[in-house]
Amino acid sequence: NAGVTQTPKFRILKIGQSMTLQCTQDMNHNYMYWYRQDPGMGLKLIYYSVGAGITDKGEVPNGYNVSRSTTEDFPLRLELAAPSQTSVYFCASSYYRDPYYEQYFGPGTRLTVT
Amino acid sequence: TQLLEQSPQFLSIQEGENLTVYCNSSSVFSSLQWYRQEPGEGPVLLVTVVTGGEVKKLKRLTFQFGDARKDSSLHITAAQPGDTGLYLCAGARSSASKIIFGSGTRLSIRP
Repeated sequence: NAGVTQTPKFRILKIGQSMTLQCTQDMNHNYMYWYRQDPGMGLKLIYYSVGAGITDKGEVPNGYNVSRSTTEDFPLRLELAAPSQTSVYFCASSYYRDPYYEQYFGPGTRLTVT
Repeated sequence: TQLLEQSPQFLSIQEGENLTVYCNSSSVFSSLQWYRQEPGEGPVLLVTVVTGGEVKKLKRLTFQFGDARKDSSLHITAAQPGDTGLYLCAGARSSASKIIFGSGTRLSIRP
């Protein structure tokens, strides 16, 4: 199993450009998440999904969109990139192992908006 | 809003010393997890604690969940340079799919 894979690893965007961060997992997990991590900080939840066709906002959803058409894929779309979106983005998937969720993270995408 | 506060934010100690980092909240969690993150990589799950007062050991690392399930601690005995990294705690409720992360403790072990 490859686990959770993310592409690209690095990207530089100009202000106002758009892009899609890709995330794929091969563990057949129902739950998937997008987080951002700013320098020296913890993780903030952007969006999450509990299954194909179902998504919900996290703590910091503004400026982002997601879709979940399959169990495996959970792309994150940035429209009109802003410098405040400079961050490292992590995708994760999890399964429910009563009474907790066990999460697995991808390697991250480092995004710079200039 | 559920918040998890970690302390200290930064810790730099000599190899061989012991240390404890803390994760505190005013909210009750059904489970609390500890992750370690190395530079350029995603967090990796170390342990999950689910019962108030629970203690789990992972080699030189000891994790404890508070009796009221609002706080947790991570104790490292005889720290090694390989323990260097960002330690994150994360709490969840069984009825929610969202996991709340603390801001992390950045640990540096000097040889």
